[in-house]
Amino acid sequence: DIQMTQSPSTLSASVGDRVTITCRASQSISSWLAWYQQKPGKAPKLLIYKASSLENGVPSRFSGSGSGTEFTLSISSLQPDDSATYYCQQYNSFPTFGQGTKLEIK
Amino acid sequence: EVQLVQSGAEVKKPGESLRISCKGSGYSFTSYWITWVRQMPGKGLEWMGRIDPSDSHINYSPSFQGHVTISFDKSITTSYLQWSSLRASDTAVYYCARHLDPYDSKGGFDYWGQGTLVTVSS
Repeated sequence: DIQMTQSPSTLSASVGDRVTITCRASQSISSWLAWYQQKPGKAPKLLIYKASSLENGVPSRFSGSGSGTEFTLSISSLQPDDSATYYCQQYNSFPTFGQGTKLEIK
Repeated sequence: EVQLVQSGAEVKKPGESLRISCKGSGYSFTSYWITWVRQMPGKGLEWMGRIDPSDSHINYSPSFQGHVTISFDKSITTSYLQWSSLRASDTAVYYCARHLDPYDSKGGFDYWGQGTLVTVSS
């Protein structure tokens, strides 16, 4: 299995801040990486696929970058609605998810 | 509109069998792989397996192989996740999700069901 490690596990930031979440793969996954947002009691929502492609309807303040083993999800200007847990997921081989990053708004 | 609608919450005893469902609509059901994901209470997402409704090809995560069965009925555009003998540790929310690109086992899961809570308790 390819292991995915996210950091930080929790993050607290203010409205308007720029935040970055990192995801590292235990081996190269090229650009086969997706990011999801999950709010309590809801299904995950796809934000980014193929490391940097923005899913339809997702606000442009979300962006993804990286390739190989290191990836980032950035939110350029944090909004109250962005409070959620974020997961990365590789699909170079059988899919695996990171452990999640809980983002809280101060 | 693409939708995946899952069956309702279940409460079962250890050792019982169960099948939960995921009905797809608003798209060509046989063109997109379906994946199943587990989320245990307060925990993260775990990929369980996937099925190609165009040819019934199935892949399981080694962590779930032998304990669950994934299937589908294309006549009613529905995928199933089944257990023959539940354990207390199967208590979780189970999601189905559609792969992003047609005929592609890789993904990117762009549409998700609402989740089915399965509680296994004596």
